[in-house]
Amino acid sequence: DGGITQSPKYLFRKEGQNVTLSCEQNLNHDAMYWYRQDPGQGLRLIYYSQIVNDFQKGDIAEGYSVSREKKESFPLTVTSAQKNPTAFYLCASNVGEGNQPQHFGDGTRLSIL
Amino acid sequence: GQSLEQPSEVTAVEGAIVQINCTYQTSGFYGLSWYQQHDGGAPTFLSYNGLDGLEETGRFSSFLSRSDSYGYLLLQELQMKDSASYFCAVRGNNFNKFYFGSGTKLNVKP
Repeated sequence: DGGITQSPKYLFRKEGQNVTLSCEQNLNHDAMYWYRQDPGQGLRLIYYSQIVNDFQKGDIAEGYSVSREKKESFPLTVTSAQKNPTAFYLCASNVGEGNQPQHFGDGTRLSIL
Repeated sequence: GQSLEQPSEVTAVEGAIVQINCTYQTSGFYGLSWYQQHDGGAPTFLSYNGLDGLEETGRFSSFLSRSDSYGYLLLQELQMKDSASYFCAVRGNNFNKFYFGSGTKLNVKP
């Protein structure tokens, strides 16, 4: 079955450390997204990519970085510059055109040690 | 800026009907979507409205009025498993960028 795989499910970060969250999709989707969700809150867009080797900042990109070297993969790095990284991170993808919905991975929960 | 407003919490009893409203203010509009998210889980797509009117999918219906920048999700014959958070989302001027509301937590009681 096609879908989006995020790993790890839980991640702990030490002060000053960069961590990378993995997102892989086998849906052959062009567009991929990273969202941050804080408790009781909606989804806020960190970065998105419409095509390989291209990505754009979302509304809260500071302290994060991404790459899109392959269509299937869109990893997110939470850098030490992100001072409040504790949150639920969701990766999504969609066809990138028309009225197609977003498909989400199961998320990664990041906490500070 | 972009903003979507939803009630933060709604409570209803099993078997009842509940309506979750969403008003939006965005630069450009390419459709209103609804997603369901159970605690700790991933959001899943429920419905989409690109044009005014009602869309029905089983027990769930969604309505859009573009002139009022307003939509709602209607859940009928509520079941305990419908207890979840529901998010409205708008596709804005940038065709590939989505904006989400802060979510409505639905509590279904026996």
